[in-house]
Amino acid sequence: SSELTQDPAVSVALGQTVRISCQGDSLRTYYPLWYQQKPGQAPALVMYGKHSRPSGIPDRFSGSTSGNMAFLTITGAQAEDEADYHCSSRDSTDKYWMFGGGTRLTVL
Amino acid sequence: QITLKESGPTLVKPTQTLTLTCSFSGFSMTTSGGGVGWIRQPPGKALEWLALIYWDDDQHYSPSLRSRLTITRDSTNNQVILSMTDMGLVDTATYYCAHTDFGAHYFDSWGQGALVTVSS
Repeated sequence: SSELTQDPAVSVALGQTVRISCQGDSLRTYYPLWYQQKPGQAPALVMYGKHSRPSGIPDRFSGSTSGNMAFLTITGAQAEDEADYHCSSRDSTDKYWMFGGGTRLTVL
Repeated sequence: QITLKESGPTLVKPTQTLTLTCSFSGFSMTTSGGGVGWIRQPPGKALEWLALIYWDDDQHYSPSLRSRLTITRDSTNNQVILSMTDMGLVDTATYYCAHTDFGAHYFDSWGQGALVTVSS
């Protein structure tokens, strides 16, 4: 499959937990990648591998997978977490990269 | 510290060829493992992966754009160049270059992006 599907928008109350989802057949084979993009900025990697966060990413960010679904969970969302979140994966043929449509997270 | 910066024209006309340069520092394209990819984002829309080149000149292209893209590396000057032919209005986007390591699958450092507008 060559598609990753994300919900266009999600909202969360300040301090609450939110789960952002990504669906695609390639996620059965490859760990998802998650990028955060704030307005006017380039995307930044926030999650990779099974449970890995780049240096500087708070531990309130966590990742999980189930079948063809991947999830980015923010436990105790902060105002600075308001951003677009993009999931990504290699294609099932392992030759290409794919991005989902992105999810806009609003922190209320 | 890895840094990347995109440069090129901000405005191109329909049917023209776009050439963008990614100048980078903090890693080498002459030693094993380094790679640079190009990703674009039309205004208000999703990210779209375009192409990637590794230190050994292994190249990968988006299947939907393969016929229009060429990615090359200038290891001496620490640059990666992307060419896209037959530009159209739908190619208006911010074009990013980003670093990866072979086998990593993720882009861990990104340039600031370069907005390219296609208009007559």
